[in-house]
Amino acid sequence: LAKTTQPISMDSYEGQEVNITCSHNNIATNDYITWYQQFPSQGPRFIIQGYKTKVTNEVASLFIPADRKSSTLSLPRVSLSDTAVYYCLVEGTGGFKTIFGAGTRLFVKA
Amino acid sequence: DTGVSQDPRHKITKRGQNVTFRCDPISEHNRLYWYRQTLGQGPEFLTYFQNEAQLEKSRLLSDRFSAERPKGSFSTLEIQRTEQGDSAMYLCASSLSTGGRNTEAFFGQGTRLTVV
Repeated sequence: LAKTTQPISMDSYEGQEVNITCSHNNIATNDYITWYQQFPSQGPRFIIQGYKTKVTNEVASLFIPADRKSSTLSLPRVSLSDTAVYYCLVEGTGGFKTIFGAGTRLFVKA
Repeated sequence: DTGVSQDPRHKITKRGQNVTFRCDPISEHNRLYWYRQTLGQGPEFLTYFQNEAQLEKSRLLSDRFSAERPKGSFSTLEIQRTEQGDSAMYLCASSLSTGGRNTEAFFGQGTRLTVV
């Protein structure tokens, strides 16, 4: 199972773009990269998933270089409500067997 | 269907008692997962089902833990002879697997267990 490494915490200000990078050196050919967001006392919520290059949806972008050994979640113009823990997962066809890890605690300040 | 629901949301029990949690996944989802999360940590995988078959169990799932998904719909997680170390948030998630590829997982709000 691929192990992921993320920064423990990050600080930002409202309106800024935030980039959180995740390392997954042992990613397998059939693995996808998925990011989740979690608020206190709630279950994680899916943000975005990708395999290679760039994926964009209404809330975030995911950048994956050609070697796929890392990925960067980009949150444009964050607000106070984006303060949460963000988890990077690498998963294959088996599903969510991968350990989430401690995630990255993002603090958005006014 | 409004998503994954878990019951109860909170449970306080005395050490040594048995507890059972229920998870109702999104109806068309064939995969169901259980996770445990303690304060400040990410969710830890416990087990998952493909339809009614339990396909994998983590080593974290001791003999006191048992999970079922009898008809491939709802699932139960039972903890026997609870210990204080079992205090945690128990999360359930479901997803749809087609052709070997998973869609995103949807998580419930969790059941917070406190063993006193």
